Amino acid sequence: GQQVMQIPQYQHVQEGEDFTTYCNSSTTLSNIQWYKQRPGGHPVFLIQLVKSGEVKKQKRLTFQFGEAKKNSSLHITATQTTDVGTYFCAGRASNTGKLIFGQGTTLQVKP
Amino acid sequence: KAGVTQTPRYLIKTRGQQVTLSCSPISGHRSVSWYQQTPGQGLQFLFEYFSETQRNKGNFPGRFSGRQFSNSRSEMNVSTLELGDSALYLCASSKHRTGGSTEAFFGQGTRLTVV
Repeated sequence: GQQVMQIPQYQHVQEGEDFTTYCNSSTTLSNIQWYKQRPGGHPVFLIQLVKSGEVKKQKRLTFQFGEAKKNSSLHITATQTTDVGTYFCAGRASNTGKLIFGQGTTLQVKP
Repeated sequence: KAGVTQTPRYLIKTRGQQVTLSCSPISGHRSVSWYQQTPGQGLQFLFEYFSETQRNKGNFPGRFSGRQFSNSRSEMNVSTLELGDSALYLCASSKHRTGGSTEAFFGQGTRLTVV
C-alpha cells in the first residue's frame, strides 16, 4: 500500500540554526500537505503544494514539492523556540485520494 | 465558525469492551477521516467517509468500523478492545476529497485508554 516516509524522526537544534525535514512517497501524489502539531495539541494545516517543482514560502518556512511529485521538504531558517513541535507531511495519492501522513519529525529548539 | 468537535475527550475502557467515538465536522465539510495516533507510530489512517460512504480504508482489523450520517457527522466503533488500542483518535474534516483545497481540519481528539 501507499507509504509516506519522513526523516529524521527527531531533531534537536540550537536556536538560530536551520532545520530541514524530508518526505518521500512510494507513489505519485496529487498534492502534499504539511501540518504542525504542538505538544499536547492536534495537527494544524500549514500549506498545500500541488504543482511539480513547486516552492512556497511562509516567513522563515520554505516548502518544496519534487519534480516527480513523490517527495517534499520543509526548511526552517533560523529556528526559534516557537517552532518546537512535530511536523508532518501528508501525501494525497493520485489514484485513491487517500491522505497518508508521514511519521513526523519532532523538532526541539534549545534557547 | 465552529471547528471539528470530537466527543468524548477522554475514555477509559476495559479489555474486551467496545467503544464509540463521535466527530462533528466543520459545517459544510463532507469528508471525514479518522486517524490513530500513538507515540511510536505517528498518524495511522483508519478510514475516510464522504457523503455517507466509506471511500478509503487503512490497514486496521475489522474490529475498527465507522459510519457517516446524512449531516456529515461520523462515528467510529472499536469492538473487543485490546490494550494496544490505547491511543489518541483524531478526526479530520475537509471540504473536498480531491481537487481544490483539501486541507484537513483536525479535532482535539479522543484519548482512549484500555486497561
